[in-house]
Amino acid sequence: QVQLVQSGAEVKKPGSSVKVSCKASGGTFSSYTISWVRQAPGQGLEWMGRIIPILGIANYAQKFQGRVTITADKSTSTAYMELSSLRSEDTAVYYCARTIAVAGVDYFDYWGQGTLVTVSS
Amino acid sequence: SYVLTQPPSVSVAPGQTARITCGGNNIGSKSVHWYQQKPGQAPVLVVYDDSDRPSGIPERFSGSNSGNTATLTISRVEAGDEADYYCQVWDSSSDYVFGTGTKVTVL
Repeated sequence: QVQLVQSGAEVKKPGSSVKVSCKASGGTFSSYTISWVRQAPGQGLEWMGRIIPILGIANYAQKFQGRVTITADKSTSTAYMELSSLRSEDTAVYYCARTIAVAGVDYFDYWGQGTLVTVSS
Repeated sequence: SYVLTQPPSVSVAPGQTARITCGGNNIGSKSVHWYQQKPGQAPVLVVYDDSDRPSGIPERFSGSNSGNTATLTISRVEAGDEADYYCQVWDSSSDYVFGTGTKVTVL
């Protein structure tokens, strides 16, 4: 059984950066794809980007290009999402999710518990 | 960019059938997935690849997809099914796209 456990809530100032972690257990981390999805208060789900740890390759949603960096540490089975130049609109719950991507069938089968990031002066 | 449209809300009496639609241009040519999200919790996958259920998801949850509309059907609705539901596809120009979400209320 795959489990994804995320780091705790953060409060950040506008203009700063935040780094959220996602530690995986169960399965083979290196063979996963891990995505990050966020949800602003009362809003829907928004995909930010993903990483394939075995390849070390990340790709990002156009909206977040240049502001988000997703990395992975295979030795600790942990993925990270760093978002910079924070603004109030980045206040949201950030989720990591294992991503299945096979022959055009792409979905998220396991999710972390979420990390609330609050951006406030 | 690719857009998925869902009705904001659906209300259903216990024991009845709820149908949640997800509209998108030629969505029938894509693989559609559905998530259930209860307040304060992470989303849970309930249907993948149009109509398959993950292990542990009741048979009451089913999906279909054709033309410009995909549908999640919840049969014999229970109070515990009250939640937000999101559809999702992958699109070559938009990457992972989620629907606008539907709040299911059990009367």
